[in-house]
Amino acid sequence: NAGVTQTPKFQVLKTGQSMTLQCAQDMNHEYMSWYRQDPGMGLRLIHYSVGAGITDQGEVPNGYNVSRSTTEDFPLRLLSAAPSQTSVYFCASSFLRDRDNTEAFFGQGTRLTVV
Amino acid sequence: DAKTTQPTSMDCAEGRAANLPCNHSTISGNEYVYWYRQIHSQGPQYIIHGLKNNETNEMASLIITEDRKSSTLILPHATLRDTAVYYCIVRVGGYSTLTFGKGTMLLVSP
Repeated sequence: NAGVTQTPKFQVLKTGQSMTLQCAQDMNHEYMSWYRQDPGMGLRLIHYSVGAGITDQGEVPNGYNVSRSTTEDFPLRLLSAAPSQTSVYFCASSFLRDRDNTEAFFGQGTRLTVV
Repeated sequence: DAKTTQPTSMDCAEGRAANLPCNHSTISGNEYVYWYRQIHSQGPQYIIHGLKNNETNEMASLIITEDRKSSTLILPHATLRDTAVYYCIVRVGGYSTLTFGKGTMLLVSP
């Protein structure tokens, strides 16, 4: 059981480049989300999804796009990378609200540097 | 979701109990208390959650005051591997979004 898998683990981008951070889960979770974590800060929610075909914005959505075509995958796209997007990105998944235990499982993170 | 207040940092000797407090004085009746921890640079890890009763699992115990305005996470025998940032999160029962604060940095020393 792999849990939540994020790729790549590390990435360096030039300003203006685009890229996609991948996230996959094998637990049949309805809910998936993306967070970013800046040095010395807690995690901030970027986007989330409550099921295939349904996405919504979190606290800091600007500069990012998401889609959810399958239950398993929830990619995060950076449209035009900026130095302010240098951060560690975490993907998480969990069952949705009607379950007793909505423990969230997190991936190991993608460390992104934009130069 | 209700806001939480945690100390910035705490120290604990290895083998002793670590008691991490959390204040959530504006908690609503349908909000649960969740605890997660983040070991250096890794993804956060779920520890425990509760509504109003005290809870215990293989990792920790959660003590919630009767008025539910504060709680304490207890690691009964802290080890060096428990050094991490601990986040106390309050959210509506079963709802999935987590709102992270800055948490408490727990340093366990030999």
